[in-house]
Amino acid sequence: DVKVTQSSRYLVKRTGEKVFLECVQDMDHENMFWYRQDPGLGLRLIYFSYDVKMKEKGDIPEGYSVSREKKERFSLILESASTNQTSMYLCASRKLRGGTEAFFGQGTRLTVV
Amino acid sequence: AQSVSQHNHHVILSEAASLELGCNYSYGGTVNLFWYVQYPGQHLQLLLKYFSGDPLVKGIKGFEAEFIKSKFSFNLRKPSVQWSDTAEYFCAVNTNTGNQFYFGTGTSLTVIP
Repeated sequence: DVKVTQSSRYLVKRTGEKVFLECVQDMDHENMFWYRQDPGLGLRLIYFSYDVKMKEKGDIPEGYSVSREKKERFSLILESASTNQTSMYLCASRKLRGGTEAFFGQGTRLTVV
Repeated sequence: AQSVSQHNHHVILSEAASLELGCNYSYGGTVNLFWYVQYPGQHLQLLLKYFSGDPLVKGIKGFEAEFIKSKFSFNLRKPSVQWSDTAEYFCAVNTNTGNQFYFGTGTSLTVIP
């Protein structure tokens, strides 16, 4: 069965902390994505990666960075967390471009206080 | 950039009522279309997808969607909803030449028993 696993379901961090959100997929997918989900705004793409060490900015990359050192793992980094980064973060993966769907993790609910 | 519009933000229906959720996208080329569902507390799951062929696609749990190219639309339908269909529904688009998925803002469906 296809699986995308995010390391934490809930996180509470303080303003200014460096935060790491981890995502692992077991499907050998080339593409991986980080979205944030906010009420009324849907899913907004932060960053995506189409290969190891490759990344592209999405629609809202400010305040975030990513790392993909291994094919199965895609990390989202908040360099200095702020309260406006309180949100639900979703990781997804899919096979290389073409008509294939994305598979999502359970999400990480991050609260920055 | 592409955009995806879901015009219904909140829908409340009684059980056995028929459902239609609208989705329009802006992109002139070949697209792949998806509907995802997010049940309370769960991760996003694929309901159905369209890549090519018959524009009427059937998904899980009795859902179907029709791709109308001339209207840039991919509306989701179900003839008779159940209480268990209460969830948030997201329309998504990607192209064969691109890696990104573009999501609508979502429609929250509440089905009253």
